[in-house]
Amino acid sequence: DAGVIQSPRHEVTEMGQEVTLRCKPISGHDYLFWYRQTMMRGLELLIYFNNNVPIDDSGMPEDRFSAKMPNASFSTLKIQPSEPRDSAVYFCASSLDRSQRYEQYFGPGTRLTVT
Amino acid sequence: GDSVTQMEGPVTLSEEAFLTINCTYTATGYPSLFWYVQYPGEGLQLLLKATKADDKGSNKGFEATYRKETTSFHLEKGSVQVSDSAVYFCALSDRRTPHSGAGSYQLTFGKGTKLSVIP
Repeated sequence: DAGVIQSPRHEVTEMGQEVTLRCKPISGHDYLFWYRQTMMRGLELLIYFNNNVPIDDSGMPEDRFSAKMPNASFSTLKIQPSEPRDSAVYFCASSLDRSQRYEQYFGPGTRLTVT
Repeated sequence: GDSVTQMEGPVTLSEEAFLTINCTYTATGYPSLFWYVQYPGEGLQLLLKATKADDKGSNKGFEATYRKETTSFHLEKGSVQVSDSAVYFCALSDRRTPHSGAGSYQLTFGKGTKLSVIP
């Protein structure tokens, strides 16, 4: 299995631009999670999906952030407009509830820099 | 709410030294406990887990015991190697039941402890 795939691995953009991060979960997994990691705040859960349906988006910082999961094999996290304080590493993770019981598999992350 | 507190790093040890990274938790229910490891430039990987009191999780020479009475899940390894240099995260899962009735398994992470092992 290829594991969780994220793209791009690195993104540098200017303040005010739209940024789209992409994730392909492990095939067959029914949960998908988006996290943000910074030195100051550590690892924060932004949103998670179950069977493509958003379950809890209470961690999304503000309306500039949005996430979608149009099908079981693809999810996007969009920031519009981006701000320097959005600079962080964004991780996608997936899990298979029934057999793995809580174990989440993380992608390699997207390092976002907003100048 | 749920929370995880782990010792602040960085921790620097010589090769073959004994490692302990402390982790305590607060949870309303009866959570499962995890240690994840993040190697430089990579995502987190599950290192070990324990799902009930007195369970011991172990993997790659690391182990941790779920202590309900002290709400702790300390990570230990008897002899560290340079390749163990990484950031270690303690985490708990709190099964929550949203309106749909389906179970959900969010993880609450500690802030991470950076371990550096020198030859």
